[in-house]
Amino acid sequence: AQSVTQLGSHVSVSEGALVLLRCNYSSSVPPYLFWYVQYPNQGLQLLLKYTTGATLVKGINGFEAEFKKSETSFHLTKPSAHMSDAAEYFCAVSEPGNNDMRFGAGTRLTVKP
Amino acid sequence: ETGVTQTPRHLVMGMTNKKSLKCEQHLGHNAMYWYKQSAKKPLELMFVYNFKEQTENNSVPSRFSPECPNSSHLFLHLHTLQPEDSALYLCASSQATGGWYEQYFGPGTRLTVT
Repeated sequence: AQSVTQLGSHVSVSEGALVLLRCNYSSSVPPYLFWYVQYPNQGLQLLLKYTTGATLVKGINGFEAEFKKSETSFHLTKPSAHMSDAAEYFCAVSEPGNNDMRFGAGTRLTVKP
Repeated sequence: ETGVTQTPRHLVMGMTNKKSLKCEQHLGHNAMYWYKQSAKKPLELMFVYNFKEQTENNSVPSRFSPECPNSSHLFLHLHTLQPEDSALYLCASSQATGGWYEQYFGPGTRLTVT
């Protein structure tokens, strides 16, 4: 079955600094990959997704992620962190024809002023 | 109402109580999901419904009983729960199942079992 590992349960950056959240996946077939964000007391919101085609995916709020098959990675980046980016971020993987989307344990992003 | 709504937002229940969680999606989707979110653990998929038919049950204890009367509504009936069932229960919907479609989540119901 597919799985996701998020490296670092907590990442702290300064406002204006680069944000890098790491995600590695395991899948027996070409996967579909997703990043979701969860703000306090809210559900998960889709940031971006990769299904096929271009490996660099742009999402909302200035985030982007690159699918690297050779590294089985799908890291999330943003060039300049904003205070409003503070939240929990989840990487997820699913497979064609499979109803079971697997989520990582999440990475809590803190942005310092 | 827009998106996915869940009621109640908070619920405290004793181990002998019976309660139900409600989810409604206003997106015209055909698939609905229940997830359990516990602290420091990945989201756990509990149930999947596609066109009102249950397609996944991830070894969930029988004290959790789902119901999907139509594609817009999903319920989770709870009875004789245990303290370890305390968690955030998230409902989600997607256009269809099959992995391709992103899921849209409700705000969750924070359940505390005393």
